[in-house]
Amino acid sequence: NAGVTQTPKFRVLKTGQSMTLLCAQDMNHEYMYWYRQDPGMGLRLIHYSVGEGTTAKGEVPDGYNVSRLKKQNFLLGLESAAPSQTSVYFCASKGRQGGTYGYTFGSGTRLTVV
Amino acid sequence: RKEVEQDPGPFNVPEGATVAFNCTYSNSASQSFFWYRQDCRKEPKLLMSVYSSGNEDGRFTAQLNRASQYISLLIRDSKLSDSATYLCVVSSTYSGAGSYQLTFGKGTKLSVIP
Repeated sequence: NAGVTQTPKFRVLKTGQSMTLLCAQDMNHEYMYWYRQDPGMGLRLIHYSVGEGTTAKGEVPDGYNVSRLKKQNFLLGLESAAPSQTSVYFCASKGRQGGTYGYTFGSGTRLTVV
Repeated sequence: RKEVEQDPGPFNVPEGATVAFNCTYSNSASQSFFWYRQDCRKEPKLLMSVYSSGNEDGRFTAQLNRASQYISLLIRDSKLSDSATYLCVVSSTYSGAGSYQLTFGKGTKLSVIP
């Protein structure tokens, strides 16, 4: 099915552990984004990419790294997880949908850091 | 000042009621405007784009006032299935990056009661 797939869907980490969240899209979209959503907050942009091999910082980039080695994949890494990174992470891609640009979101990764 | 501000909610309304959501944005250079819907523990999904001339999609009407930087969403004859969180979303350049990013409001939760 066409769309954005995030793995894993759930994860519990201990403080200081590392992990990588994978986002894959099969729509040939150039733009990809990582957001986090916390209770009582809107989605906040962590990092984004405007094409293969490019990445840029968003609103809340600290503690995260990203890579876009292949156009279809956008990886979000946590090198040393902290409880403040407990959140729901959403990946999105943007591309042409008809005559305009549209965003497609993945179903999210629920991360708990204990 | 937050970039995108919405009514804090929640709104609890009976079936058949008309409900209005309000939103203001701070970046006068914002280009595109949207309402997204987010069901509990799900990803945001586009409800409708918002155009300066106002637009309607069935029971949903969206309006934009660029001069006052105000966006609204009206739902008529509300249904139980309309229960969700409604997100006001604005597209603007981020930190002069030259590409447009989405900025989300915190959302307003709507519960339609039988």
